[in-house]
Amino acid sequence: GAGVSQSPSNKVTEKGKDVELRCDPISGHTALYWYRQSLGQGLEFLIYFQGNSAPDKSGLPSDRFSAERTGGSVSTLTIQRTQQEDSAVYLCASSRTSGFLGYEQYFGPGTRLTVT
Amino acid sequence: AQSVTQLDSHVSVSEGTPVLLRCNYSSSYSPSLFWYVQHPNKGLQLLLKYTSAATLVKGINGFEAEFKKSETSFHLTKPSAHMSDAAEYFCVVSPISSGSARQLTFGSGTQLTVLP
Repeated sequence: GAGVSQSPSNKVTEKGKDVELRCDPISGHTALYWYRQSLGQGLEFLIYFQGNSAPDKSGLPSDRFSAERTGGSVSTLTIQRTQQEDSAVYLCASSRTSGFLGYEQYFGPGTRLTVT
Repeated sequence: AQSVTQLDSHVSVSEGTPVLLRCNYSSSYSPSLFWYVQHPNKGLQLLLKYTSAATLVKGINGFEAEFKKSETSFHLTKPSAHMSDAAEYFCVVSPISSGSARQLTFGSGTQLTVLP
């Protein structure tokens, strides 16, 4: 059984360029999350998708960040006009449900983004 | 609102000695609590979770944690450290409540070093 996959594993980009990060969740998982892990810090929630509901974008740090999830499966996180402070590891996670109890999130290996 | 405080950013133990990683939480709701481990250049792996059942939770690789509501703590322990336990450990909280996005709130992490 495949886990959560992310691509690319590493991305180096120049300041001001746009980047797209991809996440393939575990098949059948309805909930999908994006987090950011900056050097020396914990994980920061970015955005959450649940089924066909409108995403919770409350964690996105600026309007340069956006994400979509097509067909309830694959998700793409887009960062426009990248800045050096965007350099971080971007982690994707999925879970079976956002229902009542006992869910757990399964994480992908992350995409390490470096903005030069 | 919820938050997590990991009291030690670094813990160093000798192989074969006990491990204690401390975590305190704050949550407006009854929380779910998790410990995740992250080995270098690897994704996050769930060690164990508490979801209002037994207060002593056993996880993988010999780890366990005890939920103490009166102390708002969820410390992670292991009787005997192994070299392979060297990694970063994250204490995580999520509310048990309906209708809210289930984003996880991560502590800042504890780096565990195991000395031979």
